[in-house]
Amino acid sequence: DIQMTQSPSSLSASVGDRVTITCRASQTILNYLNWYQQKPGRAPRLLIYAASTLHSGVPSRFSATGSGTDFTLTISSLQPEDFAIYYCQQTYTTPLASFGQGTKLEIK
Amino acid sequence: EVQLVESGGGLVKPGGSLRLSCAASGFTFRSYGLNWVRQAPGKGLEWISYISGGSDHIFYADSVKGRFTISRDNARNSLYLQMTSLTVDDTSVYFCARANLCGVGSCYDHWGQGTLVSVSS
Repeated sequence: DIQMTQSPSSLSASVGDRVTITCRASQTILNYLNWYQQKPGRAPRLLIYAASTLHSGVPSRFSATGSGTDFTLTISSLQPEDFAIYYCQQTYTTPLASFGQGTKLEIK
Repeated sequence: EVQLVESGGGLVKPGGSLRLSCAASGFTFRSYGLNWVRQAPGKGLEWISYISGGSDHIFYADSVKGRFTISRDNARNSLYLQMTSLTVDDTSVYFCARANLCGVGSCYDHWGQGTLVSVSS
């Protein structure tokens, strides 16, 4: 099984900050990597697919890079609505998939 | 507009069974694979099962294999999850999620709002 590890597990930041979240796979997943955002009591929302492609309707302050085993999600200028939990997901073994444990982004 | 609406959650005793449903609308249902993903209280996301559009490919996570059965009715635009031999560890919000081709791989581009399953004596 492919394990996905995110860091940090939690992060405090202020509106306007630039933040980066990291996701590491236990083996190569090429660029079969998606990012989701989840707010309390809500379903996850797709942000990024194929490691770096912004999903329709997602603000351009979100960006992502990576391939192989190491990936990053960056928010260039945090907005109040960005405080949420972020998950990476590998689909290299699709349809079997696995998620990272999540990174909670909190307001400082 | 794509919509996925889960139902069927509730409180069940350990060892019991429950059947979840996911009603879909706004897209050609039979053309998409579908997943069940669960989330224990305060925990992360866990993929548990996938079914292809024609039900010819079905997969389960080890944690539910042999206890849960995924199925779909393309005439009714509905997805199901039959859960048996439930344990307290199955307590979670259960989401249905549509699988789509996204770049080189797949992604879950639409999700339902989730239905809560609580397993407790």
